Amino acid sequence: DTEVTQTPKHLVMGMTNKKSLKCEQHMGHRAMYWYKQKAKKPPELMFVYSYEKLSINESVPSRFSPECPNSSLLNLHLHALQPEDSALYLCASSQDRQSNYGYTFGSGTRLTVV
Amino acid sequence: SQKIEQNSEALNIQEGKTATLTCNYTNYSPAYLQWYRQDPGRGPVFLLLIRENEKEKRKERLKVTFDTTLKQSLFHITASQPADSATYLCALVHTGGFKTIFGAGTRLFVKA
Repeated sequence: DTEVTQTPKHLVMGMTNKKSLKCEQHMGHRAMYWYKQKAKKPPELMFVYSYEKLSINESVPSRFSPECPNSSLLNLHLHALQPEDSALYLCASSQDRQSNYGYTFGSGTRLTVV
Repeated sequence: SQKIEQNSEALNIQEGKTATLTCNYTNYSPAYLQWYRQDPGRGPVFLLLIRENEKEKRKERLKVTFDTTLKQSLFHITASQPADSATYLCALVHTGGFKTIFGAGTRLFVKA
């Protein structure tokens, strides 16, 4: 299995809702990432997990809460989001921090906050 | 501040020609540089990685060069095909790994 699977593919949520994005990989990768991408913009790093521990938090607002339950799963919990948080949320993984094979990205979750 | 620049103008070329995309960076000392392809509404797909001590890397019809003096990488697609039409992103990886910063990408259109 050489894929990163993200669910759901699309999500519409109100500003008072709580929802979660899920990401799964079975490649044995030990580093996992959350990126946010707005239209016609580059992906922006949000969080990095290495060996299931949070390594980098790029000053992301607390309404985004990451979780890494095990080496194959990465979640992003969402609460009290704003319309400007609408974007494509991408999960990625790599073998480790010095990967020679780049990142493997999922297809993303298209999030719309209304 | 750290900056990655890719040509924001779309690149239009004829099928069979070589496409050359540019990635310039400032105030950054990357350990290595990656190139990705991204199709609309999809996640980026990894293409090539080149390290700071490498000048050139090839993979099939793809070639990447890396000039740390000029702070520039060039990405070439030879014998381009309409299926190569996509956005191509360069990404710089900081020493120690983890922190990868992406350029905004260049949209490539290959006409039949």
